[in-house]
Amino acid sequence: DAKTTQPPSMDCAEGRAANLPCNHSTISGNEYVYWYRQIHSQGPQYIIHGLKNNETNEMASLIITEDRKSSTLILPHATLRDTAVYYCIVRVLGASGGSYIPTFGRGTSLIVHP
Amino acid sequence: DTEVTQTPKHLVMGMTNKKSLKCEQHMGHRAMYWYKQKAKKPPELMFVYSYEKLSINESVPSRFSPECPNSSLLNLHLHALQPEDSALYLCASSPRTVSYNEQFFGPGTRLTVL
Repeated sequence: DAKTTQPPSMDCAEGRAANLPCNHSTISGNEYVYWYRQIHSQGPQYIIHGLKNNETNEMASLIITEDRKSSTLILPHATLRDTAVYYCIVRVLGASGGSYIPTFGRGTSLIVHP
Repeated sequence: DTEVTQTPKHLVMGMTNKKSLKCEQHMGHRAMYWYKQKAKKPPELMFVYSYEKLSINESVPSRFSPECPNSSLLNLHLHALQPEDSALYLCASSPRTVSYNEQFFGPGTRLTVL
């Protein structure tokens, strides 16, 4: 089953790029990689997702390696409001055994400092 | 309207009480989810509804009983809970359950079981 590995914490200076890595070495060929973030005491917020190609939106960029075993979320100009826990998510076979379910990794706590 | 709403925001209940959590979305999404999140842990999937039918139950104890009365509404009925069930309960929705659909999360209900 695909699972994700992320560093537990990172810090970044305001205005600099934040690069958040995720390993998902057993991801299956047709499963997407998703990134969400969770600001303290709020619900997770969608950031971006991708399958094979690099993706960019107004929030971030997602770089996926050619073998799809890892990806990097890039916040190009981090602000203090980007301080949050960032989750890399893939779908794995659930406990019920019948379906693939979205599974959060342990996440990376990103602290953006002035 | 791109919002998922959850009520109540906070709930305190005794182990003999019966209570319900409510989740609502008006985005026309046909997939709805319940997650449980313990402190400093990632969200864990509990249930998935697809087109108002329960499609995934991640081996959740029967003291948690989900219900999807219509395509906009999702309930979680609680009965005879234990103190270890205290957590943040998150609701989410997506257009469908397929891998490439992002989920929209509500702010959660913080449940305390005494």
